Amino acid sequence: EAEVAQSPRYKITEKSQAVAFWCDPISGHATLYWYRQILGQGPELLVQFQDESVVDDSQLPKDRFSAERLKGVDSTLKIQPAELGDSAMYLCASSLGLAGKAQYFGPGTRLTVL
Amino acid sequence: DQQVKQNSPSLSVQEGRISILNCDYTNSMFDYFLWYKKYPAEGPTFLISISSIKDKNEDGRFTVFLNKSAKHLSLHIVPSQPGDSAVYFCAASPNAGGTSYGKLTFGQGTILTVHP
Repeated sequence: EAEVAQSPRYKITEKSQAVAFWCDPISGHATLYWYRQILGQGPELLVQFQDESVVDDSQLPKDRFSAERLKGVDSTLKIQPAELGDSAMYLCASSLGLAGKAQYFGPGTRLTVL
Repeated sequence: DQQVKQNSPSLSVQEGRISILNCDYTNSMFDYFLWYKKYPAEGPTFLISISSIKDKNEDGRFTVFLNKSAKHLSLHIVPSQPGDSAVYFCAASPNAGGTSYGKLTFGQGTILTVHP
């Protein structure tokens, strides 16, 4: 069964350092999403790609977060500099289309900022 | 402004009985609804979905009901099994048009515990 791959699974960093997360969506899925989930809450969308183009990054803190999907396949989410409040689970999801299609999630990256 | 709400933080049921998880939404632009199950330290797993043109969708032990007039959906699990114990999230996305197209808005989750 095809799955969304993410790495690393866990990341511990000190504040002001840079961190990067990688995601490889299910093959053939043109739409890719990055979500952030804080403990006790549901995931919140950070950025949405259709192929290599950003569809929605309205919730992405652009002063410190960046995301790219250069070839329209895998994607990288970067935080620089990390802050204590960035500690959360970062989830990547992919789907066949923009809407009316289920999004399939990867295992996530648990980020702890000390 | 919480557009998708799961008002029950937790639910406990006996194995073999029915589990009913509820979800309310406020945004009338939502037209596609999904349920996800999440185990600790894992990503959410897609369970079942329903579009606004339907009021029921069934997949094995899982059935989702949608009441558009009440802006309410529910997930029924029959019979419940101990392996169903997890956090359940409902999510909704809007219809075509606008930058929110396809964006999922999640509820806060309900912790389901199924006792043997």
